[in-house]
Amino acid sequence: GIQVEQSPPDLILQEGANSTLRCNFSDSVNNLQWFHQNPWGQLINLFYIPSGTKQNGRLSATTVATERYSLLYISSSQTTDSGVYFCAVGFIDYKLSFGAGTTVTVRA
Amino acid sequence: DAGVIQSPRHEVTEMGQEVTLRCKPISGHNSLFWYRQTMMRGLELLIYFNNNVPIDDSGMPEDRFSAKMPNASFSTLKIQPSEPRDSAVYFCASSFLAGDQPQHFGDGTRLSIL
Repeated sequence: GIQVEQSPPDLILQEGANSTLRCNFSDSVNNLQWFHQNPWGQLINLFYIPSGTKQNGRLSATTVATERYSLLYISSSQTTDSGVYFCAVGFIDYKLSFGAGTTVTVRA
Repeated sequence: DAGVIQSPRHEVTEMGQEVTLRCKPISGHNSLFWYRQTMMRGLELLIYFNNNVPIDDSGMPEDRFSAKMPNASFSTLKIQPSEPRDSAVYFCASSFLAGDQPQHFGDGTRLSIL
């Protein structure tokens, strides 16, 4: 299957700081999704972004499929942004390969 | 709109007992997925349904696990008999089209087998 590497594995931020999370993948994809797992365990779909750039409030994401990476930007971080961010990729079919995640801790 | 609804949220039972997890996908979605999340293995796809038909059950760990989708609005994942190593968080997710649309997850069922 497609290998997915996320970096950094852990990130500690002061409230108000900006950050960038990276997702590298080993093969062509036409399905890429970013998820946030909050401290209560809920998995929230942030973006469906196989290519291009999207923004949703303080979050934005960019995928450069030809170079096999995606970036998730968090601006003006808040404590509610804490949790684990997963990148998941797929090619043609339904199967998503999940990365190991980036654990983000935002301190007040 | 209601999201994916799973029940129960938590289940604690003794090994050997039958466990049934339930899922109601988002109305209009024709793809349904069951995942299992553990610290050791992360998120694993157990089974995928399309239009109520099981398409891929290669992720089901063993014969003790079974899943059904009798109609477009309901699915179950059953473990019989349960074992302590089945303890995990089980998620159900749905999407409109399997490969071309975002997957939306339920809140999960945290299963503990004693």
